[in-house]
Amino acid sequence: AQTVTQSQPEMSVQEAETVTLSCTYDTSESDYYLFWYKQPPSRQMILVIRQEAYKQQNATENRFSVNFQKAAKSFSLKISDSQLGDAAMYFCAYTTDSNYQLIWGAGTKLIIKP
Amino acid sequence: DTGVSQNPRHKITKRGQNVTFRCDPISEHNRLYWYRQTLGQGPEFLTYFQNEAQLEKSRLLSDRFSAERPKGSFSTLEIQRTEQGDSAMYLCASSFSGGSNQPQHFGDGTRLSIL
Repeated sequence: AQTVTQSQPEMSVQEAETVTLSCTYDTSESDYYLFWYKQPPSRQMILVIRQEAYKQQNATENRFSVNFQKAAKSFSLKISDSQLGDAAMYFCAYTTDSNYQLIWGAGTKLIIKP
Repeated sequence: DTGVSQNPRHKITKRGQNVTFRCDPISEHNRLYWYRQTLGQGPEFLTYFQNEAQLEKSRLLSDRFSAERPKGSFSTLEIQRTEQGDSAMYLCASSFSGGSNQPQHFGDGTRLSIL
């Protein structure tokens, strides 16, 4: 069965510093897609960044980047220059072309300290 | 792009009542998904549509749950004879068809509370 694990229920970081959120997954598929979504309190789920498993290059979107280690089945999110607006629940999610549903981790609550 | 719209935002009902939620996807999107999210957890997949066809249903979707997308545009999710365990946030998402790398865009959700 495909599963996604986020082992950090909560993380905190000082404003302007860097934080890394971890995610591991289990799959027997060779082609799949990984996503990080952000869910601010009482607000909608927003896509932060995505990675195709066939791509070796790590995805980057402005201050957000991933460290994708396919052999280790690890997909961590690095947030640089943390801002107060980054405070939210962050969810790691997985899907494949054979099954369009997203499989989600339990989430990590990110707290930004001013 | 007006985004995914869900109504109502909040629904409070007594146990045993029927409830219906509506989702209006982004107009260009062929696929529409329903998820359920309980407090402190990640979303769980319920079902998804490609145009008007319901292509997959989770085992979580018991006989009391039914979803429709009659004209391939908006969708409704109905829960009959609600139970305490149905209390959750119900999320709708939509995406373009194609590979699974197409990102899903989410609405604000409908929060259901069962008294």
